[in-house]
Amino acid sequence: LAKTTQPISMDSYEGQEVNITCSHNNIATNDYITWYQQFPSQGPRFIIQGYKTKVTNEVASLFIPADRKSSTLSLPRVSLSDTAVYYCLVGLIGRAGANNLFFGTGTRLTVTP
Amino acid sequence: DTGVSQDPRHKITKRGQNVTFRCDPISEHNRLYWYRQTLGQGPEFLTYFQNEAQLEKSRLLSDRFSAERPKGSFSTLEIQRTEQGDSAMYLCASSQTSSVVSEQYFGPGTRLTVT
Repeated sequence: LAKTTQPISMDSYEGQEVNITCSHNNIATNDYITWYQQFPSQGPRFIIQGYKTKVTNEVASLFIPADRKSSTLSLPRVSLSDTAVYYCLVGLIGRAGANNLFFGTGTRLTVTP
Repeated sequence: DTGVSQDPRHKITKRGQNVTFRCDPISEHNRLYWYRQTLGQGPEFLTYFQNEAQLEKSRLLSDRFSAERPKGSFSTLEIQRTEQGDSAMYLCASSQTSSVVSEQYFGPGTRLTVT
């Protein structure tokens, strides 16, 4: 049920912009893209969600090209506290269940001074 | 409301014993989810409830596992005859049913160690 593919890990220095790309070649017409962040020993935390083009909130931006086969989570000017695992999910809005709640292994981002 | 809470936070048990975990969701959320997470992996979906109805169970949820949400509020996850392979973090999340955003709020998890 591997619906998404992400890099296993990424490294960055403080203050840099970090872009994490997720591939979802088999995304369905009605699927949305959702990103979560998880710190050690905590549950995941919702970051952002989108369907197409660009979505921005106070913590991140999400870029989705026209074909929607990939998406990029952009974290501006990261700090040490952004060190976490980031998960990309693809699924139907408002739907639960295994098909819509597949987290995969995520991308482990390490930010250093 | 302070968010999703789970109890206990840690549980050590011997193989073969039964354990029960509790999850209290955000009060106005009608959906409640259970996940299991092992080291280095993302959360794996186990089951979810909409109000008191259990609507889906993953293949991961063997017959030793049972979950309930009797009044559509808190939920319990019971594991009978625990095995070492059950050692994991068990996460609970809740959300509102919405046609616009499916944002789940996770609890801190219960870490189970089976010796």
